[in-house]
Amino acid sequence: LAKTTQPISMDSYEGQEVNITCSHNNIATNDYITWYQQFPSQGPRFIIQGYKTKVTNEVASLFIPADRKSSTLSLPRVSLSDTAVYYCLVGDMDSSASKIIFGSGTRLSIRP
Amino acid sequence: DTEVTQTPKHLVMGMTNKKSLKCEQHMGHRAMYWYKQKAKKPPELMFVYSYEKLSINESVPSRFSPECPNSSLLNLHLHALQPEDSALYLCASSPGEGLEQFFGPGTRLTVL
Repeated sequence: LAKTTQPISMDSYEGQEVNITCSHNNIATNDYITWYQQFPSQGPRFIIQGYKTKVTNEVASLFIPADRKSSTLSLPRVSLSDTAVYYCLVGDMDSSASKIIFGSGTRLSIRP
Repeated sequence: DTEVTQTPKHLVMGMTNKKSLKCEQHMGHRAMYWYKQKAKKPPELMFVYSYEKLSINESVPSRFSPECPNSSLLNLHLHALQPEDSALYLCASSPGEGLEQFFGPGTRLTVL
């Protein structure tokens, strides 16, 4: 199973860049790396997905080294509204249900 | 229409009741998912329908029964639940490769 490991919590300040790393040592060849943001009592919201190297969109960047055993979500210039839980997820849509496992999540707190 | 809808928003049921949760998406996505999320825990995948073919997480008890009437609809039938089944039940759909999923707002289930 491509189990993921993330820091339990992180703190930062408004305007800073935040990097959250996820370890996934047993990632399979067909697996993608996907990150989600979740606010209390809401469903997770997709942030970014990648397979290798670097992916960037309007809200974040995702860095994936060549061995794909880890990945780093980078949030540029965070604001108070980025306070949330961030989950790393590794797998593919065609994976069996027992092989799609959310990480424990990183609780990010942004201070003024 | 770019959202996943879930009904009801809240549900309270007794241990002898039979109820159903409903999920709908009109984005033409090929896969749909049911997750269970307990407080301060990551979502746990229960079932996946990919091209209307079911994949089951073997740890899910048989008192939960999924149904996919068509590619836009997903139901979760509940029967003889236990108080520990109280949780937020999330539905999601996925358009293509990887695990880019669109989540609904969830159904908050309380079992008395």
